[in-house]
Amino acid sequence: DQQVKQNSPSLSVQEGRISILNCDYTNSMFDYFLWYKKYPAEGPTFLISISSIKDKNEDGRFTVFLNKSAKHLSLHIVPSQPGDSAVYFCAASARNSGYALNFGKGTSLLVTP
Amino acid sequence: DVKVTQSSRYLVKRTGEKVFLECVQDMDHENMFWYRQDPGLGLRLIYFSYDVKMKEKGDIPEGYSVSREKKERFSLILESASTNQTSMYLCASGEGLYEQYFGPGTRLTVT
Repeated sequence: DQQVKQNSPSLSVQEGRISILNCDYTNSMFDYFLWYKKYPAEGPTFLISISSIKDKNEDGRFTVFLNKSAKHLSLHIVPSQPGDSAVYFCAASARNSGYALNFGKGTSLLVTP
Repeated sequence: DVKVTQSSRYLVKRTGEKVFLECVQDMDHENMFWYRQDPGLGLRLIYFSYDVKMKEKGDIPEGYSVSREKKERFSLILESASTNQTSMYLCASGEGLYEQYFGPGTRLTVT
């Protein structure tokens, strides 16, 4: 049963605009949420994370928002750049599950010039 | 920088063969993980280990086993490879409730 859901398989955004990637989860025991970026034929690279005690975390062009009551998080990329084109995975973990990550199915972001 | 290395980038094996995928991390992390990635399914956890000689099943352990004899090394074993195990295999390591670091992946094809 998918506990982390990314309902948009793909997203296309123009360079310079904001990209918003969404993620929903069902397990209220999740403590920590992460976003990974993945290029073809490479392993995922960590992008940004947020603890369940916070509602926002910012790192340069990347901001993650967490709405615990809605069990929803989002990743904002501003401004979007062509090099941001990749598959983005949302993931969540819980202390009581050995810190294993539960991943969404990913959203493929295309940033066009 | 954390480094997670995997023994092969590409591997082709025949149905029924025993397959070993090796993973080594250099950050002294307690936890190591094996995932597989398939189109439209995201990353799914096969097995993980939080200490030497300890292992826990993930979401899809059937057809796989693991070995962790040393802290830095975590091996995934396909006892008898089947075509439905053709996939991208990703190893990761991490510490506690924080980010995991991934290796480059092994693209395994079983014919």
